[in-house]
Amino acid sequence: AQRVTQPEKLLSVFKGAPVELKCNYSYSGSPELFWYVQYSRQRLQLLLRHISRESIKGFTADLNKGETSFHLKKPFAQEEDSAMYYCALGDYGQNFVFGPGTRLSVLP
Amino acid sequence: GAVVSQHPSWVICKSGTSVKIECRSLDFQATTMFWYRQFPKKSLMLMATSNEGSKATYEQGVEKDKFLINHASLTLSTLTVTSAHPEDSSFYICSARDHSFSGANVLTFGAGSRLTVL
Repeated sequence: AQRVTQPEKLLSVFKGAPVELKCNYSYSGSPELFWYVQYSRQRLQLLLRHISRESIKGFTADLNKGETSFHLKKPFAQEEDSAMYYCALGDYGQNFVFGPGTRLSVLP
Repeated sequence: GAVVSQHPSWVICKSGTSVKIECRSLDFQATTMFWYRQFPKKSLMLMATSNEGSKATYEQGVEKDKFLINHASLTLSTLTVTSAHPEDSSFYICSARDHSFSGANVLTFGAGSRLTVL
């Protein structure tokens, strides 16, 4: 069965510091991994997906199949990055699983 | 880009009444929509997968007679909370899969509907 874990419920960093939001998954096939973000009082929205291999708002995430991880990174955090971040896994079928989420708080 | 509209955005009802929440995909067809429940400061809890033209697939522990899902068209899924009780008060979110993206796995989310049962 698919499973997505995000070990940190809350992560606080200072503005300008690097940030890494951890995500690990378990899946027997070749999954598609995503990061979704929910800013305060806004709807969930796609941040990035692993097959795109792009940087969005300075964030990047690399799929590491050996470690079954898809950590989200940004070298210099900004206050506007404060939000709830969800790692998600899709299996190209009907199944789509979200992790428990990590609340990122960027302090001034 | 793809947009999912959810209505109403908030609703207050009396205990024992039923409430219907609509989820519409704008500018794209969604054969599959998902309904989630989100508790304060908690993650999303998948309630059910709504399939156009067929019965919804409910997650374990979700009462299908309590949470009726209908997906009668490619752009509309509805969630009806029947005989609502205060413990049903929550934030309900729908999402739709936009097949225009390659990989067909990108979900577009509605803004959510806050239900308060008095």
